[in-house]
Amino acid sequence: DGGITQSPKYLFRKEGQNVTLSCEQNLNHDAMYWYRQDPGQGLRLIYYSQIVNDFQKGDIAEGYSVSREKKESFPLTVTSAQKNPTAFYLCASSIEGATDYGYTFGSGTRLTVV
Amino acid sequence: KNQVEQSPQSLIILEGKNCTLQCNYTVSPFSNLRWYKQDTGRGPVSLTIMTFSENTKSNGRYTATLDADTKQSSLHITASQLSDSASYICVVSFSGNTGKLIFGQGTTLQVKP
Repeated sequence: DGGITQSPKYLFRKEGQNVTLSCEQNLNHDAMYWYRQDPGQGLRLIYYSQIVNDFQKGDIAEGYSVSREKKESFPLTVTSAQKNPTAFYLCASSIEGATDYGYTFGSGTRLTVV
Repeated sequence: KNQVEQSPQSLIILEGKNCTLQCNYTVSPFSNLRWYKQDTGRGPVSLTIMTFSENTKSNGRYTATLDADTKQSSLHITASQLSDSASYICVVSFSGNTGKLIFGQGTTLQVKP
């Protein structure tokens, strides 16, 4: 089955620690995205990538970093510079952009600071 | 400012009843409007997608309408089921700006037996 897989489902981070969230897709989509979801707010774009080895900052990129070394993979690192990282993180992919109909979300990773 | 506003914020209905969720947007230039269903702790799943030329689209018991002139959309759920309990998110995409979606804050629907 084609799809987009996020792991782990739950992640706990200590103060001052970097953590990496995984996102893998086998849909042959060119574009991939990372969103953050907080209670009572709409999803906010962290980073996106439209092709391998290229990515762009979204609306809330501070304290996060990404890489896109393979078409299938778009990992997100939450660095110690992100002061309020507790949130639900969603990865998405699409064929070429936001206007196409193939926009697909993963099942999310819930990150909690302990 | 490009925004998507949804109402109500939350809603409780009895199983079998109908309900309508509202979405107003100020996104321009507009490409398409989507409704997603998000179960607790899961990723959003697409219900409907409409371009500016479409004013209604159905997916089973879900029917979405779009009025591009007033920039309003609604999602009507018919004969609700317990499994309809979820958040429903209205999302608008820009025309010609790949990767950019504007998300509403969602309406949380609880269907009670």
